[in-house]
Amino acid sequence: EPEVTQTPSHQVTQMGQEVILRCVPISNHLYFYWYRQILGQKVEFLVSFYNNEISEKSEIFDDQFSVERPDGSNFTLKIRSTKLEDSAMYFCASSEGGASTDTQYFGPGTRLTVL
Amino acid sequence: AQKVTQAQTEISVVEKEDVTLDCVYETRDTTYYLFWYKQPPSGELVFLIRRNSFDEQNEISGRYSWNFQKSTSSFNFTITASQVVDSAVYFCALSEARTSGTYKYIFGTGTRLKVLA
Repeated sequence: EPEVTQTPSHQVTQMGQEVILRCVPISNHLYFYWYRQILGQKVEFLVSFYNNEISEKSEIFDDQFSVERPDGSNFTLKIRSTKLEDSAMYFCASSEGGASTDTQYFGPGTRLTVL
Repeated sequence: AQKVTQAQTEISVVEKEDVTLDCVYETRDTTYYLFWYKQPPSGELVFLIRRNSFDEQNEISGRYSWNFQKSTSSFNFTITASQVVDSAVYFCALSEARTSGTYKYIFGTGTRLKVLA
């Protein structure tokens, strides 16, 4: 069964460093998402992406964040200058369409630890 | 504003007991979807069920059942004869319509279920 994959599973970085989190969505899906879960808290929407541009972003998704689909398969989240509070689990998701009838399928997550 | 409330932060039960996880939501949309996800200790989000706002039939899948009551804006999840492997955090979520036409999920704060042997 097709699934969303994410790499790495765990990333440790120093404050101020740039990190890139990678996701491979399900191959026929056209809509892509990033969500974040700070340890012990709820999962929060960051951004949605369609047709090579951001469709929607939350107030969390400030100028230090960016997303890109550099090729036909990868979808990346870049954090330019990491802060301690960026430590969280980051989930990528994809859906075939962008309607409410389209279920978003989540990847296994990347745990980001900022020291 | 759209909101999902899971008032139970943590529940402990003994194996083979039944347990119900509560979910109450708020939305102004007339068409919406509700979801349950399981997050085991390994951290991934496992999709359990999706239910649209027009379908109030209860659903059963093995030991799992869901009770959707539009009148009380609730979408509760019951595990019958719980097992240790059911220990996880369970999230209820609501899909929210956006002006851009895409949807984002609004998650509740989760309920941690501990099933003791």
